[in-house]
Amino acid sequence: TQLLEQSPQFLSIQEGENLTVYCNSSSVFSSLQWYRQEPGEGPVLLVTVVTGGEVKKLKRLTFQFGDARKDSSLHITAAQTGDTGLYLCAGNAGGTSYGKLTFGQGTILTVHP
Amino acid sequence: GAVVSQHPSRVICKSGTSVKIECRSLDFQATTMFWYRQFPKKSLMLMATSNEGSKATYEQGVEKDKFLINHASLTLSTLTVTSAHPEDSSFYICSASYDLPSSYEQYFGPGTRLTVT
Repeated sequence: TQLLEQSPQFLSIQEGENLTVYCNSSSVFSSLQWYRQEPGEGPVLLVTVVTGGEVKKLKRLTFQFGDARKDSSLHITAAQTGDTGLYLCAGNAGGTSYGKLTFGQGTILTVHP
Repeated sequence: GAVVSQHPSRVICKSGTSVKIECRSLDFQATTMFWYRQFPKKSLMLMATSNEGSKATYEQGVEKDKFLINHASLTLSTLTVTSAHPEDSSFYICSASYDLPSSYEQYFGPGTRLTVT
């Protein structure tokens, strides 16, 4: 069974601060997705990373996939109150996993004005 | 693109009754659909995986006779919670995916809040 350890579980910061969320595993993933979810809504896909060492940027968000494709990070620069939400990483093992995703425990981010 | 809808968004039912939740991919054909359950401020818990025209594959600990899944077409899957009890109250989310080279992205519906009284 593949596991994704996501940390921290809770993050409370002031507007303008930077933050990083981590996802780590002992297993290799063929791809890894990051989602953001607001209360009462479904998760929204932010990015997919597939290549070891890959870095993708989405405005103030920077996503990195580890060289060995076992870990990933999400870095937010100059956080805004609109960034508040639940952030989820999810990995796919590829092969016969038929698209099943292994989810991390989630990070609840609260950005205070 | 890649829009998934769910209906209803909220439902309240009495204990012992059954509730059906629909999941539709609106602008693409989904090779696979997934059903999740989510508790407050927690991550998603996969319940089952379904492919069009075949039986769903349930995760360990999920009662297949209680949570009936029907995947009638490449754009529609339904989850029926049979003989619902208060402990079945939860946020149920579906997702749909289509194969992409080297990745399996899932697109999520907006969720259904089930309350069993």
